[in-house]
Amino acid sequence: EAQVTQNPRYLITVTGKKLTVTCSQNMNHEYMSWYRQDPGLGLRQIYYSMNVEVTDKGDVPEGYKVSRKEKRNFPLILESPSPNQTSLYFCASSLWSSGTGELFFGEGSRLTVL
Amino acid sequence: QKEVEQNSGPLSVPEGAIASLNCTYSDRGSQSFFWYRQYSGKSPELIMFIYSNGDKEDGRFTAQLNKASQYVSLLIRDSQPSDSATYLCAVNGAGGYQKVTFGTGTKLQVIP
Repeated sequence: EAQVTQNPRYLITVTGKKLTVTCSQNMNHEYMSWYRQDPGLGLRQIYYSMNVEVTDKGDVPEGYKVSRKEKRNFPLILESPSPNQTSLYFCASSLWSSGTGELFFGEGSRLTVL
Repeated sequence: QKEVEQNSGPLSVPEGAIASLNCTYSDRGSQSFFWYRQYSGKSPELIMFIYSNGDKEDGRFTAQLNKASQYVSLLIRDSQPSDSATYLCAVNGAGGYQKVTFGTGTKLQVIP
């Protein structure tokens, strides 16, 4: 089954404790992206990657890091989480060369930083 | 001004009616336009995409694009209670081809 898999789905952590949210897709998509979704603010892009070793900042990259060492994986790293990073996070991928630009989303990871 | 604007709603329509969802965008260089549906607690899923001015129909859904007015809309005919969800307008090309910018979404309620 074609899918984007995120882990963990739910996480409660404390300020300053490094964490990684993993994202993996099995569709051989070049493009992958991370979004956070907050009430009243909608989906905001954090980082995106056009291919292996090619990443770029989205609209709200502060406090986050990413890496793209393999085509299928695009982890989101919070080096020192703060309460304002409490949010619902979505990973998405796309077969950009298809021309449709359709994004396939993971199920989301709800993060709470205390 | 937000790059992609939508009325947050909720938009309430009776079952069987036409629901009209609207979206405006600020960057005239925007190239592709998408409508995603998001049920409560779920991830967004693509409903339609449109690139050219005019209408594009798919079943009960029609997307309309007017680049001169920087306006894109989604019409849902014969609305069903299962259409109740938040509809997200997304635009790419705004700020770069790889960047996809979402509106905050319009919540649609279809009343049986």
